[in-house]
Amino acid sequence: GENVEQHPSTLSVQEGDSAVIKCTYSDSASNYFPWYKQELGKGPQLIIDIRSNVGEKKDQRIAVTLNKTAKHFSLHITETQPEDSAVYFCAASDGGFKTIFGAGTRLFVKA
Amino acid sequence: DVKVTQSSRYLVKRTGEKVFLECVQDMDHENMFWYRQDPGLGLRLIYFSYDVKMKEKGDIPEGYSVSREKKERFSLILESASTNQTSMYLCASSLMTSGTGNEQFFGPGTRLTVL
Repeated sequence: GENVEQHPSTLSVQEGDSAVIKCTYSDSASNYFPWYKQELGKGPQLIIDIRSNVGEKKDQRIAVTLNKTAKHFSLHITETQPEDSAVYFCAASDGGFKTIFGAGTRLFVKA
Repeated sequence: DVKVTQSSRYLVKRTGEKVFLECVQDMDHENMFWYRQDPGLGLRLIYFSYDVKMKEKGDIPEGYSVSREKKERFSLILESASTNQTSMYLCASSLMTSGTGNEQFFGPGTRLTVL
């Protein structure tokens, strides 16, 4: 079946450094790729998304890139801050009802 | 502010009990979802609903059922709880899809422990 692989499972960076999380999807029909951030004790919340007709999207310190040929997409966080510490999930959807989530990356930003 | 609320943050039940998890959204969304979240496995879809009284199985429906009698409310039912259903349960809602995906809004989760 369809799946989304996410790496790394844990990432530790120094405050101010960049963090990169990578995902690979299997369903070539996927056309919507959201990223969710889950803080402790809360549900996941969308932080950025990208659709298949776009190769890159940026929102302040966060950027996402998509390579449809290779079925890869990545999240880039620059100038990391302690409040960026959380679990991040990538996901892929074919526009239908089902969204396939990656296993998650726990990001630690050390002050 | 948009909101998805879940009836309990923490729940402890005994094996064999019938368990009800309630979810309410105030955004008039057509779609509602139930996921379970386990370490290293991400979010796995149990059931979803795209309209009142409509339901569809997700990837792991065994041992669960759902009910959607009103647009804003989606209930997850464990008919006979088992220890392997100990998990974090997340409810989400979204606007009707139209060929392209939409943001899902999640509740805070219910951590269920089955003893």
